[in-house]
Amino acid sequence: AAGVIQSPRHLIKEKRETATLKCYPIPRHDTVYWYQQGPGQDPQFLISFYEKMQSDKGSIPDRFSAQQFSDYHSELNMSSLELGDSALYFCASSWGLKETQYFGPGTRLLVL
Amino acid sequence: EDQVTQSPEALRLQEGESSSLNCSYTVSGLRGLFWYRQDPGKGPEFLFTLYSAGEEKEKERLKATLTKKESFLHITAPKPEDSATYLCAVSDSGGGADGLTFGKGTHLIIQP
Repeated sequence: AAGVIQSPRHLIKEKRETATLKCYPIPRHDTVYWYQQGPGQDPQFLISFYEKMQSDKGSIPDRFSAQQFSDYHSELNMSSLELGDSALYFCASSWGLKETQYFGPGTRLLVL
Repeated sequence: EDQVTQSPEALRLQEGESSSLNCSYTVSGLRGLFWYRQDPGKGPEFLFTLYSAGEEKEKERLKATLTKKESFLHITAPKPEDSATYLCAVSDSGGGADGLTFGKGTHLIIQP
């Protein structure tokens, strides 16, 4: 069965640079969620999109923005990167808002 | 605010030694309780969704149960490949965030 696809899988950036993470949800899933997981931490909800519209925001910094496109893929844009942004970033998708979420393999971001 | 507490934080078992993991939760209204398995550096892998007290679900050596205040993940005759971090999460049916609220997880090690 098709799963959530994320790219890139690994990313190394310098402080104050920008980064763009991409997420391709499971086919026919209409909702996308972004999470951040720091070392030894549980995933923290950042933002969600339902039917290409922003649905909810969690603990997403103002330096970050995201959108969902007409083909339902989503991108997380991160600017003015800080050392503390180093983490695993997961995208999840579901068929319907707040239904069972299926997670992608994640993007490991390292900010130097 | 939704809260999820998992215990124990870590558990070491011998192969074949059955045990249970606990997840206590507080939500204004439970839409769903979810169990995930996470291996180091990888995305959470979906295991179960439970919706109402009294519900039970099974998959291979795992069985999840739900009451009004907690959920248990029972592991029967575990094998070394069951070693992972098991995450419990809740979704709020009320005005809560779209994203899941996770517990800190139980780090399970099965020794041969």
